[in-house]
Amino acid sequence: NAGVTQTPKFQVLKTGQSMTLQCAQDMNHEYMSWYRQDPGMGLRLIHYSVGAGITDQGEVPNGYNVSRSTTEDFPLRLLSAAPSQTSVYFCASSRQGASNQPQHFGDGTRLSIL
Amino acid sequence: EDQVTQSPEALRLQEGESSSLNCSYTVSGLRGLFWYRQDPGKGPEFLFTLYSAGEEKEKERLKATLTKKESFLHITAPKPEDSATYLCAVRGMDSNYQLIWGAGTKLIIKP
Repeated sequence: NAGVTQTPKFQVLKTGQSMTLQCAQDMNHEYMSWYRQDPGMGLRLIHYSVGAGITDQGEVPNGYNVSRSTTEDFPLRLLSAAPSQTSVYFCASSRQGASNQPQHFGDGTRLSIL
Repeated sequence: EDQVTQSPEALRLQEGESSSLNCSYTVSGLRGLFWYRQDPGKGPEFLFTLYSAGEEKEKERLKATLTKKESFLHITAPKPEDSATYLCAVRGMDSNYQLIWGAGTKLIIKP
């Protein structure tokens, strides 16, 4: 029972590099989202998707791109990494985004930008 | 502006010593308040959803309650395995998809 799988678990980048954080879920959930978690702050929504082919911006979308070509996968792309993007990134999914269905989270990607 | 504040930031208890965590919220109409547990190096894990003032939910040693301005997570006779960070989040009437999260309370239960 995999749930939400995120890869890689850890990553170190240099300023200006690009990379893709992977997220896959096997629960056939419609809604998927990306959050960042920084010390002393609550989770902040970066981008979300309510189904394949549909994405939208959250609270802090600048510097990130997403796509949703399948129900299962929701990758997050950093276009040109900056030190301010050093954070822990979580992917989450749920049955319906606009309902109060519980969100299921992956174990995160810890990203450091030097 | 919707806002969630959790207190205290950290709480150290002896095993068996009951206490409560607080989640104060400001939202333009509450659609749901959520409690999650987060272990070190892991993603948050869902505990409860509360919808209206006066509602209570229980799970093992945890009980969540809700008023019009705050929610409490009561921990009765905690054990070391209850040590974790507890997160609170709200969904307001103006938001279909976005949850507003608190920064969490780190709970440490000493044996």
